Amino acid sequence: SSELTQDPAVSVALGQTVRITCQGDSLRNYYSSWYQQKPGQAPLLVIYGKNNRPSGIPDRFSGSSSGNTVSLTITGAQAEDEADYYCNSRDSSGNHLVFGGGTKLTVL
Amino acid sequence: QVQLQESGPGLVKPSQTLSLTCTVSGGSISSGGYYWSWIRQHPGKGLEWIGFIYYSGSTFYNPSLKSRVTISVDTSKNQFSLKLSSVTAADTAVYYCARVRNEFDWCLDYWGQGTLVTVSS
Repeated sequence: SSELTQDPAVSVALGQTVRITCQGDSLRNYYSSWYQQKPGQAPLLVIYGKNNRPSGIPDRFSGSSSGNTVSLTITGAQAEDEADYYCNSRDSSGNHLVFGGGTKLTVL
Repeated sequence: QVQLQESGPGLVKPSQTLSLTCTVSGGSISSGGYYWSWIRQHPGKGLEWIGFIYYSGSTFYNPSLKSRVTISVDTSKNQFSLKLSSVTAADTAVYYCARVRNEFDWCLDYWGQGTLVTVSS
């Protein structure tokens, strides 16, 4: 089992706002990152650090943190945002990398 | 633009050793500030971190795989490699290599396209 917990599935109506969460004790002490993965493709980094977007990632993607929970928010979800989303960070020991179990986002 | 490319056999027999190489272009493995990682994804499942290596040779491994994993680096070829011993069908997965930024608590900013490795006789 992962040290980072995500809801398995979330849905959002086209153009609406959706929040995908990731929980874990290590998140109180370490930054997290978020990845988007579409079928047959490698994961793509969308958010890292406090709330940083790599070049080319739309500004509708944002990140936030509170206590042991980090969130990825998509403001005005588009059809092309339908994908699996994974969080990652360090584990509680700080010595190993861990991923959340992933959240399947459906855009209705 | 950094690019990573996995290479190696797509089919490995049970009990044998899985060997993959990741070739890095557009940047030097020796530049520092980054780890070089292997991640796998079982069919239809989530991402599993295998381990990573620094250009100096320092390694970190997933405790659940540590007894079977070796990651090495060849800075002269700008490559790093994965060996996973005593494989079983449970090791069938898509294997990715990726660059890990040492800052920001290990975000993986560049990924290879992935390579499917099937363990079967």
